[in-house]
Order: sequence, then C-alpha cells, then structure tokens
Amino acid sequence: ETGVTQTPRHLVMGMTNKKSLKCEQHLGHNAMYWYKQSAKKPLELMFVYNFKEQTENNSVPSRFSPECPNSSHLFLHLHTLQPEDSALYLCASSREGQGSTEAFFGQGTRLTVV
Amino acid sequence: AQSVTQPDIHITVSEGASLELRCNYSYGATPYLFWYVQSPGQGLQLLLKYFSGDTLVQGIKGFEAEFKRSQSSFNLRKPSVHWSDAAEYFCAVGSGYSTLTFGKGTMLLVSP
Repeated sequence: ETGVTQTPRHLVMGMTNKKSLKCEQHLGHNAMYWYKQSAKKPLELMFVYNFKEQTENNSVPSRFSPECPNSSHLFLHLHTLQPEDSALYLCASSREGQGSTEAFFGQGTRLTVV
Repeated sequence: AQSVTQPDIHITVSEGASLELRCNYSYGATPYLFWYVQSPGQGLQLLLKYFSGDTLVQGIKGFEAEFKRSQSSFNLRKPSVHWSDAAEYFCAVGSGYSTLTFGKGTMLLVSP
C-alpha cells in the first residue's frame, strides 16, 4: 500500500463510451501525475498537476481529459477512445517537483478498449 | 533532453546468484536517479534513490546501486537473488522540478 489509490483496477469500455478513472492520495502531496504504460514502451507521462494547476500536458489527445479538483484527487475522463489506448494507466503523487522527490504510484487501472 | 537507457530487456538469474541491472542516463546537470520495481499488475515501488553524497546507495529488499558520473551509469545490484525478486525494474532520472524520465525497463526472471 503506497498511499495512492486508483479505481477501478480494471475497465473494459467500447469506443463510444464515456468513463472516468479516479486517483486519490492522502499523503499530503502537492503534485499528481497520470502515466500511460503500454506493452514494450517506456512509461509515458501524460499530465502533471501542481497545487491543482495543470503544469504539463505531453501532447495527449483531447479524448483524454484530466481533472484535479483538489490536491488529493485526480481524474482522467475518457471518451471515444481507440483500441490503441488500451494500456495500464498509472497515477502518481509527490511532495512537489517530481524530479527531486520520491514519486508514489498507485496500482494502476488496466484499460481495455473494444 | 534527459534520457535513460536500460540495455537489457530481459535478464535471467539463478536463485541465489548475484544480480546487476544496467542503467545509463543522459542529463545536462547533476541528476537525481531512481530505481523502481513493478510486479505484474501492480504500480511502481521505489527501491532506492540518489540525490547527492555517497555514490553507493542502499535501498529496500537488499538492493544497492552505485552512481558513476564518469560513466553516466547507475547500476542496480543485489548479492543474492530470491525468487520473489522476479519483476520488472525501471531506472529513472530527474532533477529539481523536472519530471522523471523512465527507461524501458528490464524484466528479471529468476530460475530455480
């Protein structure tokens, strides 16, 4: 248990569906992140939030929409996804800038788009 | 731009044997270096980190890593591998407020 909780753990959705991934941390961290982990690819940073403000968006398609209502919660809203979006989506948090401090990861949501 | 290279995609080690996983990084300033481990279906867990000071750092589960600036390396070692160490290992680099850059990972298989 790392203190970062992701729900659901598994999700199967059709290409026309709308769903949301949720991430919650009670570590008192100020920064939260979404990563995508696909088979045979490095971890891809998608979004970064610092103090609820989005500070980084790595050219992620608009069918992925993040939301950070407070420092403890992070959502990833999904709509009209493609099969190639199937992956493990990992949430992480850190005290501040990730590069200098330890990042704590959730267990991930395994997403399958059919 | 920062980058991380883990040259070995898979490594098989006999239980009880020693282990070394390689990591080379590219970064313009003094790097902060990390090793994470990921078991199947799980998130990433931090094994150890190097920020400054002693170049040999100790981590959890009996792992250690040595920072060698001249070789731009941060190799992970363990003197005696256990079957429970089978997992995927990721090296990462960052600095200050930059986000972490991860390598592609090395899958460790442990044979009886």
